[in-house]
Amino acid sequence: AQRVTQPEKLLSVFKGAPVELKCNYSYSGSPELFWYVQYSRQRLQLLLRHISRESIKGFTADLNKGETSFHLKKPFAQEEDSAMYYCALTNYQLIWGAGTKLIIKP
Amino acid sequence: GAVVSQHPSRVICKSGTSVKIECRSLDFQATTMFWYRQFPKQSLMLMATSNEGSKATYEQGVEKDKFLINHASLTLSTLTVASAHPEDSSFYICSARGASGGLSYEQYFGPGTRLTVT
Repeated sequence: AQRVTQPEKLLSVFKGAPVELKCNYSYSGSPELFWYVQYSRQRLQLLLRHISRESIKGFTADLNKGETSFHLKKPFAQEEDSAMYYCALTNYQLIWGAGTKLIIKP
Repeated sequence: GAVVSQHPSRVICKSGTSVKIECRSLDFQATTMFWYRQFPKQSLMLMATSNEGSKATYEQGVEKDKFLINHASLTLSTLTVASAHPEDSSFYICSARGASGGLSYEQYFGPGTRLTVT
């Protein structure tokens, strides 16, 4: 079955600390993976996709097929990173993780 | 960048009335639009997928007679909640995927519509 798992509902770290939001997936085939972010009172927006191998707002995510993971990382968290983060997998429709609420404490 | 709008952003209606939500792709042609529902503190739940000019495909457990979807053009899809009840109160979000295809299945999201049924 195709599934995306985000094990942490809530992650709270201090400003300047490293951040890692975990995402594991279950998919038979070559998945396309995304991270979406929803800031308070704003629409859902794309943060990263694995095929681009880019860094957005200091965040990176590497697809690890052996561990079936796509963890989102940032070396130094900033207060403006506080938001809901969703990991998603697609083979046409998006399959969503449950989301992780990231709180950056000052 | 690709922009998707939704109207209205917020609607309050009485139980038993029907509510129509519009989703528009403003600067691209959307061959496929998706409708999601988001419950408080929960993830997005896909309700249905609509392709322009054809019937929508509903996810298991979603009543097609209750949530009527029309994708009449490449820039507009509508979701009508028929005879709404308080349990239909939720945040409804649409997304659109363009016709260019390619290797990416990126979807562009609307800002959402908050429906409250009293």
